[in-house]
Amino acid sequence: GENVEQHPSTLSVQEGDSAVIKCTYSDSASNYFPWYKQELGKRPQLIIDIRSNVGEKKDQRIAVTLNKTAKHFSLHITETQPEDSAVYFCAASPGGYQKVTFGIGTKLQVIP
Amino acid sequence: NAGVTQTPKFQVLKTGQSMTLQCAQDMNHNSMYWYRQDPGMGLRLIYYSASEGTTDKGEVPNGYNVSRLNKREFSLRLESAAPSQTSVYFCASSYPGDGKANYGYTFGSGTRLTVV
Repeated sequence: GENVEQHPSTLSVQEGDSAVIKCTYSDSASNYFPWYKQELGKRPQLIIDIRSNVGEKKDQRIAVTLNKTAKHFSLHITETQPEDSAVYFCAASPGGYQKVTFGIGTKLQVIP
Repeated sequence: NAGVTQTPKFQVLKTGQSMTLQCAQDMNHNSMYWYRQDPGMGLRLIYYSASEGTTDKGEVPNGYNVSRLNKREFSLRLESAAPSQTSVYFCASSYPGDGKANYGYTFGSGTRLTVV
């Protein structure tokens, strides 16, 4: 089955700096890579996703990159703000009806 | 449009008691999932239902059973609760199957279960 590794497990940045979270996956059949943000005591929410036919996707201050050859994908947050503080999960899936496998999560702290 | 609704939000059980966690979605999604979340362990899949009429085991199915009652509802049952099942449980749904390749999960608000 799929195995998703995520690092770092914790990340502290100063407000305004950039944050990068990296993930690797094992199953070459995976072609859908979502990222979820979970604020303290809340449910995980999808913030961005990328499919294997695309190398990079941006949404305002958030971007995701994918290297299918190396089986790596990363989340980049620019100009971080205190409200970006949360746990971020990467995930991988073959798509469609197939289940998603999550990484262990990265706790991001943005220091004002 | 409520999204994914989970009940109850909190529950305390004694060891050996049984209970059913309820989940319903109103987004016409085909697939539904049950995850548990424990500190340092991320989100681990218990059971999932790729489509109405099917259910499959996930990573940690022992001690649980599920029922896909219809397209909207997917319940999780603990037959004999154990302290190791103390966790936060999330239901999720995805995949409207409308050809738009929208595979993102929508999660419920979670159930915080304590087994004493």
